[in-house]
Amino acid sequence: DTGVSQNPRHKITKRGQNVTFRCDPISEHNRLYWYRQTLGQGPEFLTYFQNEAQLEKSRLLSDRFSAERPKGSFSTLEIQRTEQGDSAMYLCASSLENREDYEQYFGPGTRLTVT
Amino acid sequence: GQSLEQPSEVTAVEGAIVQINCTYQTSGFYGLSWYQQHDGGAPTFLSYNGLDGLEETGRFSSFLSRSDSYGYLLLQELQMKDSASYFCAKDSSYKLIFGSGTRLLVRP
Repeated sequence: DTGVSQNPRHKITKRGQNVTFRCDPISEHNRLYWYRQTLGQGPEFLTYFQNEAQLEKSRLLSDRFSAERPKGSFSTLEIQRTEQGDSAMYLCASSLENREDYEQYFGPGTRLTVT
Repeated sequence: GQSLEQPSEVTAVEGAIVQINCTYQTSGFYGLSWYQQHDGGAPTFLSYNGLDGLEETGRFSSFLSRSDSYGYLLLQELQMKDSASYFCAKDSSYKLIFGSGTRLLVRP
């Protein structure tokens, strides 16, 4: 257990529905990341927050995806009008802005299945 | 597509040494990280190389050559529990760009 928690752990939804995932990072970490991972692939960067500011969003991310980190603590990732291609593991990670500590601490992930 | 290349699968015997290579594209490169991921688990950090040379952490070592855009992870005294996927990841200032992973199978 890295100290990063994600909820829910599993989500099954029908195509066209909206889903929202939550990530609670390690409390003193000011950086928060969302990644997506499909079977047999490495995690793919989606978006990044420093405190409450969203500083980068992957060009691969359609406008159906939105993320927030309103108070610089927990974050939510929402997917609107889900498609079968959105089925994946959604991973959250957090880290300190400290160039002597390069580790990103990953949560257990939310596995999304779109039927 | 991915900007890092690593072998898809490696098999080794318990107690042996295995090296997993990784080549990367240099754009936006700050350093190379290695992560381990067991089936159904989250990626966990193993090591980081920001400068050329070897970093050693117990049974695991990692090497970087910036001039060759190349790095490797060395696992010694393999144990059954080392069976997992290993990812090299390019540190691009803050975000990580991951390779597709190398699945390591350790046989008795």
